[in-house]
Amino acid sequence: KAGVTQTPRYLIKTRGQQVTLSCSPISGHRSVSWYQQTPGQGLQFLFEYFSETQRNKGNFPGRFSGRQFSNSRSEMNVSTLELGDSALYLCASSLGPGGVAFFGQGTRLTVV
Amino acid sequence: GESVGLHLPTLSVQEGDNSIINCAYSNSASDYFIWYKQESGKGPQFIIDIRSNMDKRQGQRVTVLLNKTVKHLSLQIAATQPGDSAVYFCAETFSGGGADGLTFGKGTHLIIQP
Repeated sequence: KAGVTQTPRYLIKTRGQQVTLSCSPISGHRSVSWYQQTPGQGLQFLFEYFSETQRNKGNFPGRFSGRQFSNSRSEMNVSTLELGDSALYLCASSLGPGGVAFFGQGTRLTVV
Repeated sequence: GESVGLHLPTLSVQEGDNSIINCAYSNSASDYFIWYKQESGKGPQFIIDIRSNMDKRQGQRVTVLLNKTVKHLSLQIAATQPGDSAVYFCAETFSGGGADGLTFGKGTHLIIQP
């Protein structure tokens, strides 16, 4: 069974731009969560989607948004990029909320 | 706010020895705990989990211990190998899906000495 797939693996964007990251969960998994990982703040929860609905959202500004499609694939968007948004963005999928979460390789975003 | 933390940022052990990585959590309402391993350039990899109705769970070469009285988790790795070198994170949540997703500790970097 294929794991969680995130695309692209690497991105370089300029301040003020917007970016969309994609995540394909493990087949059969309906819950997708997103996390931001930085050296200073560690792993921080962004949001969780289940059955195309956002269940929970972490403490991030409204510039961070996401969605989930009927096939459980998810995207997250960051608008008006800031230098501090440079991070590894990780997607995790699970069968349902509260289940074991399996992570993808992440998308390394660099904002210049 | 409450968070999960690890006691040591770095742990150095000899190849073949047993490793013990510790984690303290403060949210007494958490009932599900997971250990992840993250190698350089990769996403966190699930190692083992434990629910609050258990105090010990064993996997292949790994054991997780949960002490709810003092809110402490530990990960024991038997006969540590070079491939065990990574950053290890503990995470906590609610089994029904916590409002804050998984809350991660800051991680312990396990270094294996030959």
